[in-house]
Amino acid sequence: KQEVTQIPAALSVPEGENLVLNCSFTDSAIYNLQWFRQDPGKGLTSLLLIQSSQREQTSGRLNASLDKSSGRSTLYIAASQPGDSATYLCAVFDSWGKLQFGAGTQVVVTP
Amino acid sequence: SAVISQKPSRDICQRGTSLTIQCQVDSQVTMMFWYRQQPGQSLTLIATANQGSEATYESGFVIDKFPISRPNLTFSTLTVSNMSPEDSSIYLCSVVEFESSTDTQYFGPGTRLTVL
Repeated sequence: KQEVTQIPAALSVPEGENLVLNCSFTDSAIYNLQWFRQDPGKGLTSLLLIQSSQREQTSGRLNASLDKSSGRSTLYIAASQPGDSATYLCAVFDSWGKLQFGAGTQVVVTP
Repeated sequence: SAVISQKPSRDICQRGTSLTIQCQVDSQVTMMFWYRQQPGQSLTLIATANQGSEATYESGFVIDKFPISRPNLTFSTLTVSNMSPEDSSIYLCSVVEFESSTDTQYFGPGTRLTVL
């Protein structure tokens, strides 16, 4: 059974610092890996999707890497802003379209 | 990307009652899913809503407790039956869209349910 772990569980940084969020998964036979953002009490916003054949994806200040063989993905957020405060969820996608989620990393960026 | 809406956005219900949550998508999609997020926890898949056939439930979830309808390719409902306080959660529907040569999953805004 696929297990997804996110470290750290919580992170607080001053504005301007870079954020590094880690995700690991136990079964490397994944279809895709997707990073989401969730604001308190709200739904999920898709940030980046990395296909299993890719090693990274970039969107603006966000960069996500994937090392399938070691079962790891990292989300980098450059020059953090208070608006980046949210919970970030990593999810592994199997070939049936089912997502297995990590527990998330709660990020607080202080002005 | 698909635009997904859910109704209601939130509700407070009494123990023993049932609530039906609606999910509407702005395009036809093959695969729709229902997830639950209990307080302070991550998302857990409840079931896959199949158009024209019964839903496929994950381990720990049963049709009598969470009946699902999928009458067409843009709409689904999830009913939480005979509710107890343990059912207090955010319920989210999601869809898979094929874009940029791969499948991407999108989520609705969620329905926040509180059971007293």
